[in-house]
Formats: sequence, structure tokens, C-alpha cells
Amino acid sequence: DAKTTQPPSMDCAEGRAANLPCNHSTISGNEYVYWYRQIHSQGPQYIIHGLKNNETNEMASLIITEDRKSSTLILPHATLRDTAVYYCIVRVAYGSKLTFGKGITLSVRP
Amino acid sequence: NAGVTQTPKFQVLKTGQSMTLQCAQDMNHEYMSWYRQDPGMGLRLIHYSVGAGITDQGEVPNGYNVSRSTTEDFPLRLLSAAPSQTSVYFCASRPQVGGGSSPEAFFGQGTRLTVV
Repeated sequence: DAKTTQPPSMDCAEGRAANLPCNHSTISGNEYVYWYRQIHSQGPQYIIHGLKNNETNEMASLIITEDRKSSTLILPHATLRDTAVYYCIVRVAYGSKLTFGKGITLSVRP
Repeated sequence: NAGVTQTPKFQVLKTGQSMTLQCAQDMNHEYMSWYRQDPGMGLRLIHYSVGAGITDQGEVPNGYNVSRSTTEDFPLRLLSAAPSQTSVYFCASRPQVGGGSSPEAFFGQGTRLTVV
């Protein structure tokens, strides 16, 4: 599975959009981009995933660049409860393991 | 549905003791896995299973054994606990599908293990 690079931390104001970047320059054509988050040592929680098209669900939006070498997770209206470590993971669709890096710590300030 | 259930939530062991961390899922998922998480680090894969009777090693398997006799259960055994195994352990499950579908994984709430 391709490796990912995320900044160690970022913050944003409550109510504003949080844009979390991820670089995956060695991604292969059959690899998906996944985002998980982990709130204060709880079990990781799935957020969203995509292959090449932008995706949106009730939690977030995922924007993948045309060359697929980077992506951005967007939390449109961040709340204090979104403070967490966010993991960007790249892997093939099935049969492979999830490889977690250190993620990016998002701090939402009041 | 309960999802993925881990027991116990907390455990303190003495060096050399053995114990089993339990993981059960009620979603009929084929794929199950165990991770450990140390302070300030991401999750590291210990062992995984793609179905009943099939297990394989992950990134950090030493000191741990697993078995998968049923689809629902995937216990993790520490045969002789060491202080280096002090960690938070997470179990995860997901369906094993192909054809381009890419399901997400569901995680338990973790077992916090301290070995003294």
C-alpha cells in the first residue's frame, strides 16, 4: 500500500471549515484514499473514502486531485467534538490491511 | 447490533502472566484484525484473519497468538506478558468483498493493558 504524508497538527475555529491535507504521491491506480479519525483514545472511526472522484457524506467531503497524488478532507462546520487525530490511509479495495501513520491532530478552538 | 465488542476494557498483568483479550463482532464480517497503539503513535497491526480457520501475522506479531475458530470471535493471547506489551489494543472487523468495492472497518473501543 502507498504511504501517506500528513502535517502533524492544525487547528481551526469552531463553525469554520477544517481542511485536512494528505499527500500520497506513490498511489497506484487501484488504491483508494481512506480517512479515519480517533477521538481521545477511542477506537478509530471511519469517515469517508474515495478512488478518484470527489465524495461527500454526512460527516465530510473528500477532494482528490486529478493526478490522485494528494487529497483534502473537509469538515464543513467544525465543532469541538471534531477535535481528534485524523488518519489518511491509502490501500487497495480488498484483501489488504489498514496501515496507520501518526495522522494529523486537529484542534477545534471555541 | 453491538458492532465490535472488546473485553476487558482495562487489565493489569504481572510480567510472565498470560491472558486472552476477547473480540467479538455480530456483523458476520470475514475480516478481523488486532492492532496495538502506543503513546504518540499510530496503530500497528499485530495479527489478522480473513475468515474462520485462517490467520496471518501483521507488523508486530511477536509475543502474541491468535486463532479464529468462528466468524464472530478473534481472541488475542499473550502467553507471557512483558512490560513492552503495555499498550492499548484495538480489534477491528470488516466485510471481505471484492470487485472494486471497498468497505470500511469497524473498531472496538479498546483494551488498555498494563504489564508491571
